[in-house]
Amino acid sequence: ETGVTQTPRHLVMGMTNKKSLKCEQHLGHNAMYWYKQSAKKPLELMFVYSLEERVENNSVPSRFSPECPNSSHLFLHLHTLQPEDSALYLCASSQDLQGYGYTFGSGTRLTVV
Amino acid sequence: DQQVKQNSPSLSVQEGRISILNCDYTNSMFDYFLWYKKYPAEGPTFLISISSIKDKNEDGRFTVFLNKSAKHLSLHIVPSQPGDSAVYFCAASSTGTASKLTFGTGTRLQVTL
Repeated sequence: ETGVTQTPRHLVMGMTNKKSLKCEQHLGHNAMYWYKQSAKKPLELMFVYSLEERVENNSVPSRFSPECPNSSHLFLHLHTLQPEDSALYLCASSQDLQGYGYTFGSGTRLTVV
Repeated sequence: DQQVKQNSPSLSVQEGRISILNCDYTNSMFDYFLWYKKYPAEGPTFLISISSIKDKNEDGRFTVFLNKSAKHLSLHIVPSQPGDSAVYFCAASSTGTASKLTFGTGTRLQVTL
């Protein structure tokens, strides 16, 4: 596989559930990102990782917990979410933090019920 | 406060005509601008970019114009094709924070036959 792969593509979870989103990149990039896209809002940067170190955390609630075990994999662990957390969650990667532009995955459409 | 604004949520253009998508920004520190294209159920894909040292960048049917004094950029697609129907996102970054892209809300382009 090439590019950035996100699983699952769709996820429905209850507010008391715990689930994880997975992102994998096969581009040899060193930086990875989580973005959130809510309806009629701009893409919001959530987390940035560079060489497995978190370098950015944009005031994201603690019910979202990222994990980057290596430069190819990024997870977003979810627990006790709210219905307003329903959104498209996009993973992206770039060569490094000085690289302009990203390669995005197809996203996970999350619905919290 | 939205730093990158795409004030037209949708645009409809006839095949063969010119499509013009607009984007305004408020942060004078932005010095690099990108356009991304997004089809349903796919992640955004990079289309074209421009540095603030230029006022125009062309790539085939796509041209981006930058007016720094007006803090405005536009994407021209000519001639428009049905396959261009998608959501177009404008994004911006500044030197030193190249990894942090600030996105607009997107414009949905529909190219009709």
